[in-house]
Amino acid sequence: SQKIEQNSEALNIQEGKTATLTCNYTNYSPAYLQWYRQDPGRGPVFLLLIRENEKEKRKERLKVTFDTTLKQSLFHITASQPADSATYLCALDILTGGGNKLTFGTGTQLKVEL
Amino acid sequence: DGGITQSPKYLFRKEGQNVTLSCEQNLNHDAMYWYRQDPGQGLRLIYYSQIVNDFQKGDIAEGYSVSREKKESFPLTVTSAQKNPTAFYLCASSGSGLATYEQYFGPGTRLTVT
Repeated sequence: SQKIEQNSEALNIQEGKTATLTCNYTNYSPAYLQWYRQDPGRGPVFLLLIRENEKEKRKERLKVTFDTTLKQSLFHITASQPADSATYLCALDILTGGGNKLTFGTGTQLKVEL
Repeated sequence: DGGITQSPKYLFRKEGQNVTLSCEQNLNHDAMYWYRQDPGQGLRLIYYSQIVNDFQKGDIAEGYSVSREKKESFPLTVTSAQKNPTAFYLCASSGSGLATYEQYFGPGTRLTVT
């Protein structure tokens, strides 16, 4: 069966360190992968998008990698801050021909401590 | 201000009643989506629409219905046939086409059915 896995346990790190979140998938061949941030009780907010033929994408303190051989994406936040504490969701876009249909992982909760 | 709105933020209903959740966007997006999120779970797609007067079932459409009579609006009805309707409901919109697009989410409606 198709599956998207993100670290189910919360990730606690110290302020200033780099946070690395993992998104693994099986039985998919996504054309694109997206990352979102979700704060408690709110809708997700788009962060970054990476295509299958891109190895890496950066935006300010954020970096995403996409390894289609390993079927894995890594999401890095450098110089992390307490304000980065949130749940981070990865989403695969399979491009079924029916349009932009995303399949989301369960998310990883990140807590950045002082 | 451009954006996507959902109302109400909290909704309480008795079992056996149908309830309609509102979703409006002024981003001029062709595509709109409804997701359901349960505690500790990722987003699951209920219905989506790529164009006015057309919509497709997502992964968990049973017990739900939608309409797309206007580009700006995509209301979701939770019917009495939905066995576990209590959840956090999120509406989103995006561009539409062969490429992938980020999705813009509303603030969500938390539905409680007792």
